[in-house]
Amino acid sequence: EADIYQTPRYLVIGTGKKITLECSQTMGHDKMYWYQQDPGMELHLIHYSYGVNSTEKGDLSSESTVSRIRTEHFPLTLESARPSHTSQYLCASSEITGQGRIGYTFGSGTRLTVV
Amino acid sequence: AQSVTQLDSQVPVFEEAPVELRCNYSSSVSVYLFWYVQYPNQGLQLLLKYLSGSTLVKGINGFEAEFNKSQTSFHLRKPSVHISDTAEYFCAVSDVRNEKLTFGTGTRLTIIP
Repeated sequence: EADIYQTPRYLVIGTGKKITLECSQTMGHDKMYWYQQDPGMELHLIHYSYGVNSTEKGDLSSESTVSRIRTEHFPLTLESARPSHTSQYLCASSEITGQGRIGYTFGSGTRLTVV
Repeated sequence: AQSVTQLDSQVPVFEEAPVELRCNYSSSVSVYLFWYVQYPNQGLQLLLKYLSGSTLVKGINGFEAEFNKSQTSFHLRKPSVHISDTAEYFCAVSDVRNEKLTFGTGTRLTIIP
């Protein structure tokens, strides 16, 4: 059972629109991530956060922005959507344990299509 | 820096036949290793992970993987596949120091009835 929720699951939107992809987790995990996944391709880390008021850029440059005002909430925003932003966006979270950071939980993803 | 190579982008297998999905990694430090499965239009689900100890790791849905440090490999196996195993499989490595999770390019497993 997923404890990390992403909405919407699917979104088709016109070029130039502002969009926010929601991600919430109920596990109290400190670290959260956004990955971008093009069809049939690997996942690329675009943003991550160590905790409240912490956000960092990932390996893949992205025009999106993120915020972490609450531990459980990590929304991703595109100010002006373009067709090149069409992709699947996966949110994840993890917690540190005695063995290190070993438990990553993923949401079901948001499939974004910009027309 | 760490990296993951999944040598096969697509693997077709007949139902009830065995399968092996290959994964090799590169890292200069100690790592944790993971296999995730992604069903169509879904997120990623953890199949199994290697942290330490026994090199043979058993996961969900009858899958297992063997960590081979000398060959820097973490191949995934199942002795008899089912139609429901059709999915994309991702190998991932985590650097235990900087906690970064790096994914391979994925292997699409297709089960032939």
